[in-house]
Amino acid sequence: GIQVEQSPPDLILQEGANSTLRCNFSDSVNNLQWFHQNPWGQLINLFYIPSGTKQNGRLSATTVATERYSLLYISSSQTTDSGVYFCAVERSGGTSYGKLTFGQGTILTVHP
Amino acid sequence: GAGVSQSPRYKVAKRGQDVALRCDPISGHVSLFWYQQALGQGPEFLTYFQNEAQLDKSGLPSDRFFAERPEGSVSTLKIQRTQQEDSAVYLCATVQRKPFASGRTDTQYFGPGTRLTVL
Repeated sequence: GIQVEQSPPDLILQEGANSTLRCNFSDSVNNLQWFHQNPWGQLINLFYIPSGTKQNGRLSATTVATERYSLLYISSSQTTDSGVYFCAVERSGGTSYGKLTFGQGTILTVHP
Repeated sequence: GAGVSQSPRYKVAKRGQDVALRCDPISGHVSLFWYQQALGQGPEFLTYFQNEAQLDKSGLPSDRFFAERPEGSVSTLKIQRTQQEDSAVYLCATVQRKPFASGRTDTQYFGPGTRLTVL
């Protein structure tokens, strides 16, 4: 199956700092999503981004499908950004129906 | 309530008990997925429904796991004779449309999950 690797595994920031999270994947993808899992366990959609660049407030994401990676940028971080960030992909081809394969996540801690 | 809902939010079971976990999808969403998330890990795929048809159950870890979606809306994940290794968070996700002819799929929206602890 497709491999998804996220880096760094852990990230500690002071409030106001910027950060970049990376997701590498081993095969072509139909679907790539970034999620934030809050301390209560809820997976919150950040971006649906199988290719290209999107921005939403302080967050932006870029996927370079031909090079098999995606980046999530967080600017001016806030304590509420703390949690686990997951990248999830669906391999293209075959009949995966949208089945997502998740990376191991990046644990982000933002200190005041 | 516009989101995916799941119940119960927490379930404690004694080893050997049967449990049933419920997922209420966003109204009208065609596709429904179940995932299992062990502590400290990313979610892993269990099974997929398109309307009432279970099209992929390749991720179910054993024949003790059974899922259904009889009317193409609410889904239930049942675990028989629970074991300690079944302890995890069980997540449900839904998608508005079935996959496009190109193979591209749409955004998945996740419920809050059910945390199952087997003693």
